[in-house]
Amino acid sequence: AQSVTQLGSHVSVSEGALVLLRCNYSSSVPPYLFWYVQYPNQGLQLLLKYTTGATLVKGINGFEAEFKKSETSFHLTKPSAHMSDAAEYFCAVSDYNAGNMLTFGGGTRLMVKP
Amino acid sequence: EPEVTQTPSHQVTQMGQEVILRCVPISNHLYFYWYRQILGQKVEFLVSFYNNEISEKSEIFDDQFSVERPDGSNFTLKIRSTKLEDSAMYFCASGGANEQYFGPGTRLTVT
Repeated sequence: AQSVTQLGSHVSVSEGALVLLRCNYSSSVPPYLFWYVQYPNQGLQLLLKYTTGATLVKGINGFEAEFKKSETSFHLTKPSAHMSDAAEYFCAVSDYNAGNMLTFGGGTRLMVKP
Repeated sequence: EPEVTQTPSHQVTQMGQEVILRCVPISNHLYFYWYRQILGQKVEFLVSFYNNEISEKSEIFDDQFSVERPDGSNFTLKIRSTKLEDSAMYFCASGGANEQYFGPGTRLTVT
C-alpha cells in the first residue's frame, strides 16, 4: 500500500520568503508523485508532477519540487512567496498498478503574511 | 483551456434518498475517477474507470455506489440510500495514465 505524509498541517511565511512544504511517501513501486493546490471553494489544480527522468521538476506559479529517492521525499518549494499563494497544498502518489489511484497526504495550509 | 466540469455544485438530499452526481471529463481523456473529501479530512479515492469498466475501487466504494458513462461525454456517480456520513465534497477527475485533472467538485449535504 502507498502512503503520503505531509509534515506541518499549517505553514506560515512572510511575503517574499522561501516556501518549503514537506512531503514524504512510501511506495512499493517506483512512484509517480504530484502536488496539487486547492484555493478556497475550488477544486484541485495540478501544480507539478514527477514520473520519470529529471528529479527536479518545475510547475506553475514558480513552484518546483525535487524527487529524492534515498529520502523518499518530494518537497515543494518556491523562492519567494506571494500573497496569492495562500491555499491548501496536497501531495499525492499514484499507483499505476491499481487503476492509477491517487493517495493523498493530509494537506498543508499555506498562509502568507504581508 | 479544456476543463472537467461537474454538476450540481451543491446538492442537498434527505437521508435514504438516491443522488446522481454528474461530470463531464476532458474530451480526449481515457481514464475517469471519483474522489471524495469529507470536511477537514484527506481527499480519498473512490473509483477509477477505463475502457467502460471499473479498473479499481476502494473499500469505500461499496454496493451503495455505482458509476456509469451513459454516453460519450458524461460520467456519473450514483449514491443509493444516502447516509449522513456521505456528506462530503465529491471530485471527478479525468486524465491519461500519469496525470489527473480535477473538476470543481459537488458538495453533497445529507440531512
